[in-house]
Amino acid sequence: GAVVSQHPSRVICKSGTSVKIECRSLDFQATTMFWYRQFPKQSLMLMATSNEGSKATYEQGVEKDKFLINHASLTLSTLTVTSAHPEDSSFYICSARSGSGGTYNEQFFGPGTRLTVL
Amino acid sequence: EDQVTQSPEALRLQEGESSSLNCSYTVSGLRGLFWYRQDPGKGPEFLFTLYSAGEEKEKERLKATLTKKESFLHITAPKPEDSATYLCAVHGSGGSNYKLTFGKGTLLTVNP
Repeated sequence: GAVVSQHPSRVICKSGTSVKIECRSLDFQATTMFWYRQFPKQSLMLMATSNEGSKATYEQGVEKDKFLINHASLTLSTLTVTSAHPEDSSFYICSARSGSGGTYNEQFFGPGTRLTVL
Repeated sequence: EDQVTQSPEALRLQEGESSSLNCSYTVSGLRGLFWYRQDPGKGPEFLFTLYSAGEEKEKERLKATLTKKESFLHITAPKPEDSATYLCAVHGSGGSNYKLTFGKGTLLTVNP
C-alpha cells in the first residue's frame, strides 16, 4: 500500500519551454500533496504544499508563477515548470499524505523526476 | 524554526558490523519524527514514524528509538543491500500543513 507514482521519470527540454510533471497516489486518496526539489548530495527542499481543490502554499523564495501546481483530485497533482532555464535543472520529488487511518501523518514519496534544461 | 542535524554524514561498515545513526532535532511541539531510506536517483522510502520519547520501532535489521532531543537508527548486522542514504525528518506543531523538515542525511555504505 501507499504507492505514489511520478511521470515522467526523466525529461530533457530546451531553455524557455514548459515541462509538466504528474504525481499520482495509486492506492489511497491524498489529502495533501507536496513538491520537493533535491540538488546533488543535498537534502530535500520543500517547494510547495497543496490540498485538493485549493491553491498551493509556496515556501519562501519559490516563485509561484514559475512553478505552477494543480491538485485537481485526491489522487493527482501536477507541477509545471514554466519557461524553464538551466538553473531549474534538478531532481523533483512529490509526496502524498493520506490523512486517514494508521498513516495519518506519514508522507509517501514518488520515485522522482530528473529535469535537465539545456 | 525546526532544525534537524544528522551524524555522521557518511558511514562505512563491514557486513555484519552493527552501528547507529544519529538525528538530533529542535522542534516546537513534536508531532512526529520520520526515518526514510533513499537510494541514488530515487525518492525516499518510508521506514518509521516515532511520536513520543521512549518509543521504539523495528523492521528487519533496523530499529529506531526516540528521546526528547534525538533519535537513533540502529542497524544490526547490516548487509550490502542496506547501503543507502538515511534521512530523518520532523513535523513540529509550529509547521503548517504537515510540513516536514529534513536533515541532510547519512550516507551508509556496507562493504561485503
